[in-house]
Amino acid sequence: GAVVSQHPSWVICKSGTSVKIECRSLDFQATTMFWYRQFPKQSLMLMATSNEGSKATYEQGVEKDKFLINHASLTLSTLTVTSAHPEDSSFYICSARPPKSTDTQYFGPGTRLTVL
Amino acid sequence: SQKIEQNSEALNIQEGKTATLTCNYTNYSPAYLQWYRQDPGRGPVFLLLIRENEKEKRKERLKVTFDTTLKQSLFHITASQPADSATYLCAGPGGFKTIFGAGTRLFVKA
Repeated sequence: GAVVSQHPSWVICKSGTSVKIECRSLDFQATTMFWYRQFPKQSLMLMATSNEGSKATYEQGVEKDKFLINHASLTLSTLTVTSAHPEDSSFYICSARPPKSTDTQYFGPGTRLTVL
Repeated sequence: SQKIEQNSEALNIQEGKTATLTCNYTNYSPAYLQWYRQDPGRGPVFLLLIRENEKEKRKERLKVTFDTTLKQSLFHITASQPADSATYLCAGPGGFKTIFGAGTRLFVKA
């Protein structure tokens, strides 16, 4: 199957700093990528939909100025958590949708963010 | 609102038995349902997709059913192994997005 990578796999940062997470589709071009957040023992919560070359679409309740998304190329989307606080600590997962697909998405391995 | 619901309680079974996980959907009629496996600290991995006009689908030891009358999908793992222990997520389309259930944790004891 298609491969999606995320970097870093885990990160620990101090409160108030910004953290950037990268999501790459390694063997296909993805016009659409999704960013999810997952708390322990809970399901994936969609944060935003990232479309190459245009602004991301954020879900209700997700602060776009806090979670900056950039989808600059067909293989790379980045999520920047700005001025991180302990409550932002979570597991962040991206997924990528192959072109011309409406029901398929391949997930990255996730990034564990811990804000001290 | 459209919902995908899974039994949040963990399922414990003995190795070799068949594990059956349930997924119910409410307030909509999904054209398909998907099942994913998620290991701790990892992203979900796609397993199977079943469309509303398909009663059953199989892949190796996995079998999925789709009952539009009961608004339910069942996910079966036959001859379960300890390596099958994971969280299994059910998902359905929600417009351009995907709606996920909370997942059911499966523990297979040797």
